[in-house]
Amino acid sequence: EPEVTQTPSHQVTQMGQEVILRCVPISNHLYFYWYRQILGQKVEFLVSFYNNEISEKSEIFDDQFSVERPDGSNFTLKIRSTKLEDSAMYFCASSETPLIPTYEQYFGPGTRLTVT
Amino acid sequence: AQSVTQLGSHVSVSEGALVLLRCNYSSSVPPYLFWYVQYPNQGLQLLLKYTSAATLVKGINGFEAEFKKSETSFHLTKPSAHMSDAAEYFCAVRYSGNTPLVFGKGTRLSVIA
Repeated sequence: EPEVTQTPSHQVTQMGQEVILRCVPISNHLYFYWYRQILGQKVEFLVSFYNNEISEKSEIFDDQFSVERPDGSNFTLKIRSTKLEDSAMYFCASSETPLIPTYEQYFGPGTRLTVT
Repeated sequence: AQSVTQLGSHVSVSEGALVLLRCNYSSSVPPYLFWYVQYPNQGLQLLLKYTSAATLVKGINGFEAEFKKSETSFHLTKPSAHMSDAAEYFCAVRYSGNTPLVFGKGTRLSVIA
């Protein structure tokens, strides 16, 4: 069964460093998302991406964050200058098509980012 | 604002007992509701979803949920808990188009032998 994959599974970085989290969505999916979950808190939406541009973003997704689909298969989340409060589990998700609210979002296993 | 409330951050049941995980949503328009499960070190997996076709929704692994508009609830149940059901369960809602999911805080289910 097709699945969303994410690399690395765990990333440790120092405050102020740039990190890139990578995701490979399911191949025929068109809509991509990043969510994050700070330890002990709820899963929160960061950004959605469709047709090579950001479709929607939350207040969390400030200028330190960017997303890219560099090669038609990967979907990346970059944090330019990490802060301690960026430590969280980051989930990538993809879905088949926009506009249909019942379509499932398929989630990857997550990347645990630890900022020291 | 859209929101989901999951009552109880941790629920513990005996093996074979009824599982009841509570979820309430706030909405002024018909919602689309989802339950996801997260096993240790894994991603979020869809258990079931409410799409307005039927108020009682059956999902995988013997779980089901009932949409009650009058109570703005979508509680998850399973008649008989198995050890393998131990996981984190998330209720989520979305309202239109391919808008993002809004998640509850999650409920950790423990199953005692």
